[in-house]
Amino acid sequence: NAGVMQNPRHLVRRRGQEARLRCSPMKGHSHVYWYRQLPEEGLKFMVYLQKENIIDESGMPKERFSAEFPKEGPSILRIQQVVRGDSAAYFCASSPPISGNTIYFGEGSWLTVV
Amino acid sequence: DAKTTQPNSMESNEEEPVHLPCNHSTISGTDYIHWYRQLPSQGPEYVIHGLTSNVNNRMASLAIAEDRKSSTLILHRATLRDAAVYYCADRSGGYQKVTFGTGTKLQVIP
Repeated sequence: NAGVMQNPRHLVRRRGQEARLRCSPMKGHSHVYWYRQLPEEGLKFMVYLQKENIIDESGMPKERFSAEFPKEGPSILRIQQVVRGDSAAYFCASSPPISGNTIYFGEGSWLTVV
Repeated sequence: DAKTTQPNSMESNEEEPVHLPCNHSTISGTDYIHWYRQLPSQGPEYVIHGLTSNVNNRMASLAIAEDRKSSTLILHRATLRDAAVYYCADRSGGYQKVTFGTGTKLQVIP
């Protein structure tokens, strides 16, 4: 029973390039969450998605960041025109559609912008 | 969003109990209290969660204050593998978003 799968684990991008981070939730989980962790800081909520719907994107920066969770395939967090300040660990989590249940995290994608 | 606060760091001797506190003074009646821990370069790992009653599992115990404004994660016998950052989090009962506290870095001394 595979856990939450994230790829790539490590990604290096030059300033101005695009970064795409993928997340496959656990089997049976239809809710996906993305969190960002800057170096030496805590976990900050970015966005919460269900299949084909963005439920809450209150933590997403207004520009350059977008997320999707299509009917088929993984959830994608897309960062356009990356800047050095985007360097961080990006964690995806998933949960089943049951209220109050815990969420389970993947191992993260570490983005380095050079 | 409910705001949670935790001490920045704590120390414990190996094989002694550890009590990690969390204040969640603005928590609502339907918000669940969750605890996660994170080892360096890894994703957060679920530890335990509860709503009103104290909870036990194989990893830890969770003691929830009667007014639910605070909770305590209890590790009964700390081991070196328990050294991690422990996050208290709240999750809206009717809305699935999980909001994390600032985290407590636990150091276990051999």
